Amino acid sequence: GENVEQHPSTLSVQEGDSAVIKCTYSDSASNYFPWYKQELGKGPQLIIDIRSNVGEKKDQRIAVTLNKTAKHFSLHITETQPEDSAVYFCAANRDDKIIFGKGTRLHILP
Amino acid sequence: GAVVSQHPSWVICKSGTSVKIECRSLDFQATTMFWYRQFPKQSLMLMATSNEGSKATYEQGVEKDKFLINHASLTLSTLTVTSAHPEDSSFYICSARGEGAEAFFGQGTRLTVV
Repeated sequence: GENVEQHPSTLSVQEGDSAVIKCTYSDSASNYFPWYKQELGKGPQLIIDIRSNVGEKKDQRIAVTLNKTAKHFSLHITETQPEDSAVYFCAANRDDKIIFGKGTRLHILP
Repeated sequence: GAVVSQHPSWVICKSGTSVKIECRSLDFQATTMFWYRQFPKQSLMLMATSNEGSKATYEQGVEKDKFLINHASLTLSTLTVTSAHPEDSSFYICSARGEGAEAFFGQGTRLTVV
């Protein structure tokens, strides 16, 4: 089955700087890659996603890149703000299942 | 994005009793619903996948007789934890998917078994 690896597990960046989170997946048949933000005590919130026929997608300060050959995808957050502090999960979807990475705890330092 | 409502947001029950968690898609029809379990500071672990009107597909290691899933309509799925024990205490999260690939999550239910 699908296996999703996510790095780093913890990331601290200065407010205003950029943050990058990287994930790899194992199943080349996976075709949809969402990213979720989870705040304490809440369910995950979809923040951006990318499909396997696209290499890059951007939405304001958030961008995601996908390299199908290498089977890795990354989340980029620019001009980070305090409200970006949360746990971020990457995921890979094949058929009916969404498999999550282990998460990255992002701290935005004042 | 679409709205998925999960109820209750927290519940405390006695050991040996059963508890039901509801997951509703409020503004779309959910052909597929997923149930996850999350322990503190860990990732979401998929428990089961259910399609409306059919039996749920459980992940390896998840007891189907303990975690009963019903997906009777396109807007409602329920998870019943039967004969709950303290080790079942966890954060349970549902997600729902309509015709597209996007899956939207409920706000989660924190279950504490005492």
